[in-house]
Amino acid sequence: DAGVTQSPTHLIKTRGQQVTLRCSPKSGHDTVSWYQQALGQGPQFIFQYYEEEERQRGNFPDRFSGHQFPNYSSELNVNALLLGDSALYLCASSFYGAGGLETQYFGPGTRLLVL
Amino acid sequence: AQSVTQLGSHVSVSEGALVLLRCNYSSSVPPYLFWYVQYPNQGLQLLLKYTSAATLVKGINGFEAEFKKSETSFHLTKPSAHMSDAAEYFCAVRNTGTASKLTFGTGTRLQVTL
Repeated sequence: DAGVTQSPTHLIKTRGQQVTLRCSPKSGHDTVSWYQQALGQGPQFIFQYYEEEERQRGNFPDRFSGHQFPNYSSELNVNALLLGDSALYLCASSFYGAGGLETQYFGPGTRLLVL
Repeated sequence: AQSVTQLGSHVSVSEGALVLLRCNYSSSVPPYLFWYVQYPNQGLQLLLKYTSAATLVKGINGFEAEFKKSETSFHLTKPSAHMSDAAEYFCAVRNTGTASKLTFGTGTRLQVTL
């Protein structure tokens, strides 16, 4: 059973560029959440997608946007990159139908470096 | 807003010694609590979770945690540390409503020495 997968594993961009990160959820999961983990910090919630819609959003600017596809996979897009966007981006999947007891399972992350 | 506080950014123990990683939560409603472990250059792996079924929760790799409402704590313990336990440990809380975002602590780096 494949777990959560993310691509690419590493990425280097320059300031002002745009980036797209991809996530495939664990089999049987229908909800995808994205987190940003800066160096030495805990992960910070960016947003969550369910049924192809943004269900909840954290305290991140509109430069951060996402999408969920019918097969439940998801993309995270970041526009106008800033140096401070350098971080490990983690995708987590879960099954919404767990009656509120859903557990999020994390992928290996995409490490983004903005120069 | 819900939050967790992890006391001690670094903890060092000898191999075979007790591991105790501290987590205190702040929540106005009954919380769901989680411990995740992160090995270098990897994502997060779920160790255990508390969802109100039992106050003592057993997880993987010999770890367990006890939910103490009176102390608003959810400390992680392991009776005997192993070298392979060296990693970053994160405590997280999520609300019991429809939104399920996790709020993480700042993490505790566990070092295990011979």
